[in-house]
Amino acid sequence: AQSVTQPDIHITVSEGASLELRCNYSYGATPYLFWYVQSPGQGLQLLLKYFSGDTLVQGIKGFEAEFKRSQSSFNLRKPSVHWSDAAEYFCAVGAGPQTGGKLTFGTGTQLKVEL
Amino acid sequence: GAVVSQHPSWVICKSGTSVKIECRSLDFQATTMFWYRQFPKQSLMLMATSNEGSKATYEQGVEKDKFLINHASLTLSTLTVTSAHPEDSSFYICSARGRQETQYFGPGTRLLVL
Repeated sequence: AQSVTQPDIHITVSEGASLELRCNYSYGATPYLFWYVQSPGQGLQLLLKYFSGDTLVQGIKGFEAEFKRSQSSFNLRKPSVHWSDAAEYFCAVGAGPQTGGKLTFGTGTQLKVEL
Repeated sequence: GAVVSQHPSWVICKSGTSVKIECRSLDFQATTMFWYRQFPKQSLMLMATSNEGSKATYEQGVEKDKFLINHASLTLSTLTVTSAHPEDSSFYICSARGRQETQYFGPGTRLLVL
């Protein structure tokens, strides 16, 4: 079974600073990996995904993530954070059709942006 | 593209009544939809997987008679919370499975049972 660890429960950065949110996964084969963002009282919005090909993926809102198989990681990065990026970020892993498309979510990282 | 809607966005009901929540994929067909429950400051808990034209598959510990799921078409799945009680109060989120195994989420429904 797959699992996801997001080691940081809370992160605070200053506006304009760079950001990296960590995600480690456990899965035997090549996983499907996702980052979602959730604003308070809202559903989840897909930021980016990886399932094959180039290990550096670009997403919306200036985010990118890098798949590192050797480290079982899929960290999310942004070079310059905006105040509107304050939200909850979830990393998720899936096994694809083998599990009917089910995803396993991490516990989330709450991002606070200081002005 | 890949827009998912939920209705209602919030609902307040009395204990013992039933509440139906709709999840629609607006611009794509979804043979599979998922229902999640989210408690404050927590991650998503998968409740069930809904497949069009067949019975839903419930996760361990989820009462199938309490949470009735129907996937009537390729764009609509419904979750009915039967005989709701205060402990059922929560934020319910659906998602629809799209291309490349990607789940697209609805905006969520906040349920408050008095």
